[in-house]
Amino acid sequence: NAGVTQTPKFQVLKTGQSMTLQCAQDMNHNSMYWYRQDPGMGLRLIYYSASEGTTDKGEVPNGYNVSRLNKREFSLRLESAAPSQTSVYFCASSVWPQPQHFGDGTRLSIL
Amino acid sequence: DQQVKQNSPSLSVQEGRISILNCDYTNSMFDYFLWYKKYPAEGPTFLISISSIKDKNEDGRFTVFLNKSAKHLSLHIVPSQPGDSAVYFCAARGTNTGTASKLTFGTGTRLQVTL
Repeated sequence: NAGVTQTPKFQVLKTGQSMTLQCAQDMNHNSMYWYRQDPGMGLRLIYYSASEGTTDKGEVPNGYNVSRLNKREFSLRLESAAPSQTSVYFCASSVWPQPQHFGDGTRLSIL
Repeated sequence: DQQVKQNSPSLSVQEGRISILNCDYTNSMFDYFLWYKKYPAEGPTFLISISSIKDKNEDGRFTVFLNKSAKHLSLHIVPSQPGDSAVYFCAARGTNTGTASKLTFGTGTRLQVTL
């Protein structure tokens, strides 16, 4: 079982470039989430999708957009990357009331 | 405003001893608490959880204690093993999240179990 798959695993961008992070889950979960992890900050919720067709802002949504393409896939887009968006990005999925399952992350550097 | 706090960034424990990781929260609307374990270059993996209607939950070597009046929870690992060396995140879920399991995470505690 693949669980939650994130692509790419690593990416380097220049300031102002755009990028879409991909996430897919094969567990038939209804809800999906995007987090970022920064040193000393823990994981912070960027956006989430409670179910197919819905998306909502989390704690730190500025500079990001999301698309819930179908039940399996939830993408995160940076339209104009900024150095402050250098981070490790984690996608997760869940079905109520079970805990979230996480992917292995995308390490993103913006120069 | 950090609603979930882990005040110890790191902890070192000898193999075989007890590891105690602590977590404090400020939001009284949190009703479900989880611990995740994270190895380098991997995503967090769920370890153990506790509902606010309980004060203790045990799973093998792992026990989580909840003190609602103090807004404090702790994770006990007994006995500690070298494979337990990882970063541990405390997380909390509120009552008003609908069907989405929105979590608020602490900043993590790096546990090192030495031989």
